[in-house]
Amino acid sequence: KAGVTQTPRYLIKTRGQQVTLSCSPISGHRSVSWYQQTPGQGLQFLFEYFSETQRNKGNFPGRFSGRQFSNSRSEMNVSTLELGDSALYLCASSLAAGGRTYEQYFGPGTRLTVT
Amino acid sequence: GDSVTQMEGPVTLSEEAFLTINCTYTATGYPSLFWYVQYPGEGLQLLLKATKADDKGSNKGFEATYRKETTSFHLEKGSVQVSDSAVYFCALRGTGANSKLTFGKGITLSVRP
Repeated sequence: KAGVTQTPRYLIKTRGQQVTLSCSPISGHRSVSWYQQTPGQGLQFLFEYFSETQRNKGNFPGRFSGRQFSNSRSEMNVSTLELGDSALYLCASSLAAGGRTYEQYFGPGTRLTVT
Repeated sequence: GDSVTQMEGPVTLSEEAFLTINCTYTATGYPSLFWYVQYPGEGLQLLLKATKADDKGSNKGFEATYRKETTSFHLEKGSVQVSDSAVYFCALRGTGANSKLTFGKGITLSVRP
């Protein structure tokens, strides 16, 4: 069974631009979560989607948004990019949302660099 | 809110040495506990998990026991290999609004031949 895939793997953008990252979950998984990883802040939760609905949201500004499609694929968008948005963005899929025992499986991440 | 505290790193060991990485947590209710490993340039891989008190998770020679009385989930391995060199993250996952993964800061393990 294929794992979680993320595209693109690397991205370089300029301050003020916007960016869209894509995530395809493991087949049969209906929940997708997004995390930001930086050296200073570590791994921080962005949001979780299940059945095309946002179920949970972290403490990030409104410039960060996401959505999920009927095939469970998800995208996240960051508008008006800032230098501090440079990070590794990780997507994780899970069978369902809200269950503490459900394992989350991570993709390889998208490395975003903002110049 | 929920939080995870890991011991400070980095950790450098010789091959075949015994490994312990400490992890303690603060959470409401009964979270599940996880260890993830991240190799250079890659995403996170689930190493092991435990979903209730006294459960022991194990995988690839690594073990961790869910200790509710001490709110701990320490990772151990009896004999490390060079290939175990990576960053290790302890994490917890609650229910409902707390169903996100909350991670510790991670610790870098280097194993020398």
